Parts: sequence; structure tokens; C-alpha cells
Amino acid sequence: GAGVSQSPRYKVAKRGQDVALRCDPISGHVSLFWYQQALGQGPEFLTYFQNEAQLDKSGLPSDRFFAERPEGSVSTLKIQRTQQEDSAVYLCASSLRASGSVGELFFGEGSRLTVL
Amino acid sequence: AQTVTQSQPEMSVQEAETVTLSCTYDTSESDYYLFWYKQPPSRQMILVIRQEAYKQQNATENRFSVNFQKAAKSFSLKISDSQLGDAAMYFCALGGATNKLIFGTGTLLAVQP
Repeated sequence: GAGVSQSPRYKVAKRGQDVALRCDPISGHVSLFWYQQALGQGPEFLTYFQNEAQLDKSGLPSDRFFAERPEGSVSTLKIQRTQQEDSAVYLCASSLRASGSVGELFFGEGSRLTVL
Repeated sequence: AQTVTQSQPEMSVQEAETVTLSCTYDTSESDYYLFWYKQPPSRQMILVIRQEAYKQQNATENRFSVNFQKAAKSFSLKISDSQLGDAAMYFCALGGATNKLIFGTGTLLAVQP
């Protein structure tokens, strides 16, 4: 597609439910990032993929968070046993270059997760 | 640790006027990059301008320019001839050797007609 696509745009989950958020990056982009953006805050880094390899997952807040990109394109962020503090907008971004912080990041519109 | 600080939660500017958004940062790396991103209400972040730390010349992109003061670790964004479409949240971000961007808390810019 022309841009980074994320789904669902909005997700409401009951506390304790598992959720899966999908990101479809720009075709051919090597780098893929997940960020978490709490209300009124800047995005915070969660994890980074270079093709299918997860090179950095230092930002994942707990072992309830899991991300994968098995074929080096579409990525899924899974949150198990959701908690209220997981409520946020989850942003996906992709970059053409392998060194993502050097090149321009292209962001999706985000998935807003609300945990009740 | 790398940090980015935006001390102006909100700013307002009259249409056609000029506004400057402030950003300070801290990093121990010698090779790094600085960015300004715009986030309209639809939430899709868009790159406004970027600056390589090794370049002394300030970056410009049409009506957008930066004032990069490396010694002071300051990276402000100037928007000239402000337009209604410039209204958005603006984030300053720092990137270095690690493959992640560190974002500030943002400045919400309102443009008054």
C-alpha cells in the first residue's frame, strides 16, 4: 500500500483479555518499529525489527507484550492479560533503511487500545 | 541516557505570523540526528525536518527551519508564515546509534485565523 496501515484503529478490551494489533508497513521497508503513546505524551519505543529479526525489544514493558514479524513484512503486537495501564495508542512505523534512526520513519495512524 | 525536553506544552500563533517551538536534548553520543515530527488530530506522525548533528548548517524545508545549537544542546523549530494547516502536536525527537527515536512530550500548536 501507499502508507503504513494499522488495524484495528480502535480496540476496547476487558481487563485480562488478550489483544493483537496488526501493522502492514510500506512495501520493501526493512525496519519496523512499535511505539506506545499514552494520552498527552510522546511516543515511547517498544521494539524494533530489521526484516524478520527482532533486534531490540528493550522497550517492551513486561513479558505480557510480544511482537513478531515472521516474514519480514506484516508485524503483530500481542498483549496478553491486558491491564488498564496498557491503555494507549500503539504506533507502528517503518523505514526503508536498516538503520532506522537515520532514515525517515513513516508512521501509521495507530491503534487506540482502551482496557476497561 | 538520552533525553528530549519540550518545555512548551502549548503555543499559539496568528495566521501568517512566525512561531518558534523549543527543544533541548541530552546525549553522550557524538553522532546523532534530530527530528521534528508533526502529529495532526488523525494521529499519523509526519516528518517535518531533520538535522544531522555533524552538519553546522541549519536545516530548512520551505517555511520550516531549525536553529541547531550543538553546544547548548538546543534544537528549535521556526515556522514562518503560519497556516491553519500547521495546527497540530509537534514532537522533537533524537536518534543515535541505537535504532530508536527518543521523543519529547510535544507542543500543541494552535493557529488563530
